Amino acid sequence: DSGVTQTPKHLITATGQRVTLRCSPRSGDLSVYWYQQSLDQGLQFLIQYYNGEERAKGNILERFSAQQFPDLHSELNLSSLELGDSALYFCASSDPGYRTNEQFFGPGTRLTVL
Amino acid sequence: GQNIDQPTEMTATEGAIVQINCTYQTSGFNGLFWYQQHAGEAPTFLSYNVLDGLEEKGRFSSFLSRSKGYSYLLLKELQMKDSASYLCAVRSTDSWGKLQFGAGTQVVVTP
Repeated sequence: DSGVTQTPKHLITATGQRVTLRCSPRSGDLSVYWYQQSLDQGLQFLIQYYNGEERAKGNILERFSAQQFPDLHSELNLSSLELGDSALYFCASSDPGYRTNEQFFGPGTRLTVL
Repeated sequence: GQNIDQPTEMTATEGAIVQINCTYQTSGFNGLFWYQQHAGEAPTFLSYNVLDGLEEKGRFSSFLSRSKGYSYLLLKELQMKDSASYLCAVRSTDSWGKLQFGAGTQVVVTP
C-alpha cells in the first residue's frame, strides 16, 4: 500500500458525459501528479500540482482539468468524454524534500467510456 | 524534450538473470527511475540513479551512464512473480519532479 488513495476504482459512463476522479496523496506529500495509461500509449503525464498550485502540464486535453484543494487532495475532471478516453488514470504523490523525490502511485481509476 | 527507449518484451527462465536497457535523451538530466508494474496495478518504485554507477538493492540492481544516456535494470535469480512491465523514467532539471516514462518492457518469466 503506497498510502495514495484514489476513488472510484472503476467508472463506466457514456460518451459526452463528465466524470470526476479523486486522489488523496500520502500524508505530508505536497506534490500530486496525474497520469493516463491506455493500452497503446503507456503512462502519459497529464498534470502536476504542488501545494495547491499547478506546476507542470503534459499532454492534457482541454476537455480535462484538475485542481488541488487546501487539504491537498486533488480531483481530475474529464468532460465531453470520448471512447478514446477509456484508460487507467493514476494519481501519484511525492515529497520534494526526499533525496530521491520518487513518486508513489495510487491504485488507479479504470474509466470505461461506452 | 525527452525521448526514452526500452525494449518491448523480454523472456527469461526462472532463476536466470535479465538485463533491461534504457536509453534516453533529455535537455537536462536530474535522475532516472525504474518502476515495476503488474498488469492492471499501480507502478511501484524500484530504484533511482542520479550519479554514474551501480545501485544494488537485493535481487535488483540499476546502472547509469550519464555521458551515454544509458541505464539498465538487472534482475537476478528471477522468480515467477517478477513477470511484469518495467518502466524507465527520467526527470529533467526543468521540472518540478515530473517524470517522463518509457513505454515499458514486459518481462515474461517462464518455468
